[in-house]
Amino acid sequence: AQSVAQPEDQVNVAEGNPLTVKCTYSVSGNPYLFWYVQYPNRGLQFLLKYITGDNLVKGSYGFEAEFNKSQTSFHLKKPSALVSDSALYFCAVRDVEGGANNLFFGTGTRLTVIP
Amino acid sequence: NAGVTQTPKFRVLKTGQSMTLLCAQDMNHEYMYWYRQDPGMGLRLIHYSVGEGTTAKGEVPDGYNVSRLKKQNFLLGLESAAPSQTSVYFCASSYVWPYEQYFGPGTRLTVT
Repeated sequence: AQSVAQPEDQVNVAEGNPLTVKCTYSVSGNPYLFWYVQYPNRGLQFLLKYITGDNLVKGSYGFEAEFNKSQTSFHLKKPSALVSDSALYFCAVRDVEGGANNLFFGTGTRLTVIP
Repeated sequence: NAGVTQTPKFRVLKTGQSMTLLCAQDMNHEYMYWYRQDPGMGLRLIHYSVGEGTTAKGEVPDGYNVSRLKKQNFLLGLESAAPSQTSVYFCASSYVWPYEQYFGPGTRLTVT
């Protein structure tokens, strides 16, 4: 069975500092991993995905994520945080046993960027 | 492009009442999904569809039914609402693999 874990419910970072939001995964077979962001009272927005290839994936709004197979991690990173990055972030893994592009989501990490 | 839209945005039901949530997408996506979001639990898949006329169960299908009569629409029905179905419901759609899902703005449902 597939699953993802986001070990931190809340991450606080000062504006201008680098940020990291952690995600670990458990899959049987190749991992297909995603990051989404949710702003207040909005739907989820896609940030980036890892399917295959380079371990460092670049996405929207200056975010990137590093796929680490040995540590089964897919941490989201940004070199310099903005106040506008404050939101709820979800890591997800594709359900290889289900149909379509079904995803299993983590429980989310609330990021607060402090001015 | 409107993307993925959901109707209604808010709804309050009494226990035992029924309702239908409508999802529409204008991106010609084959796949569509219904999720519920509850505090501390992330998003959980209720039902999904891989094409017009098809539906399948997700992780938490009990108490819900769905229909996909047209490619652009995906309906979620609650036949007899229960307080445990109080949640925020999100619809999403996507092309076939390996494309990402696009989400609607959500419907906040309260069952009293």
